[in-house]
Amino acid sequence: NAGVTQTPKFQVLKTGQSMTLQCAQDMNHNSMYWYRQDPGMGLRLIYYSASEGTTDKGEVPNGYNVSRLNKREFSLRLESAAPSQTSVYFCASRGLAGDEQYFGPGTRLTVT
Amino acid sequence: AQSVTQPDIHITVSEGASLELRCNYSYGATPYLFWYVQSPGQGLQLLLKYFSGDTLVQGIKGFEAEFKRSQSSFNLRKPSVHWSDAAEYFCAVGPRDFNKFYFGSGTKLNVKP
Repeated sequence: NAGVTQTPKFQVLKTGQSMTLQCAQDMNHNSMYWYRQDPGMGLRLIYYSASEGTTDKGEVPNGYNVSRLNKREFSLRLESAAPSQTSVYFCASRGLAGDEQYFGPGTRLTVT
Repeated sequence: AQSVTQPDIHITVSEGASLELRCNYSYGATPYLFWYVQSPGQGLQLLLKYFSGDTLVQGIKGFEAEFKRSQSSFNLRKPSVHWSDAAEYFCAVGPRDFNKFYFGSGTKLNVKP
């Protein structure tokens, strides 16, 4: 039981390049989330998916798109990376109401 | 607007001393409340959570937190800190439908030997 996995662990992009961050969970959770973590700002919600087939914007969705591919997988895409998107990205999942979120190990992204 | 405030950015305590990390929230209804810990380069691990009932909740690693509705606070405490507790701690609130969570900016704990 791996929990929440994220790939890649590290990535360096040039401004304007695109990439997709992958997230998968094996806990049969309904809800999945993408956060970014920046120094002094805690975690900010980018997008979430309350159930398979649905996605909604969080606090900071601009510059990102998401896909809930199936119940297990939730990907985050940067179409045209900008230096302001340099951050650590965390994926999380949650089962039933009343459960906490379970977090992946994070992806450290640098945009130059 | 919903928000979570952790007023202490950095705290240093001596090993064996007691610890209290502060968390205040602004939320329209009674939220679910959480404390997470993050070690360097790692993801977040849940320490404890409050949903309802007894306002003093016990968590892992000897931590506890008290929900005070009148003060909109959910402070984290530990009676005796160990060197391995050095990490960053995040308070979070979430609505009863759990679709959006709000995190504080974090408190970094340093433990002196």
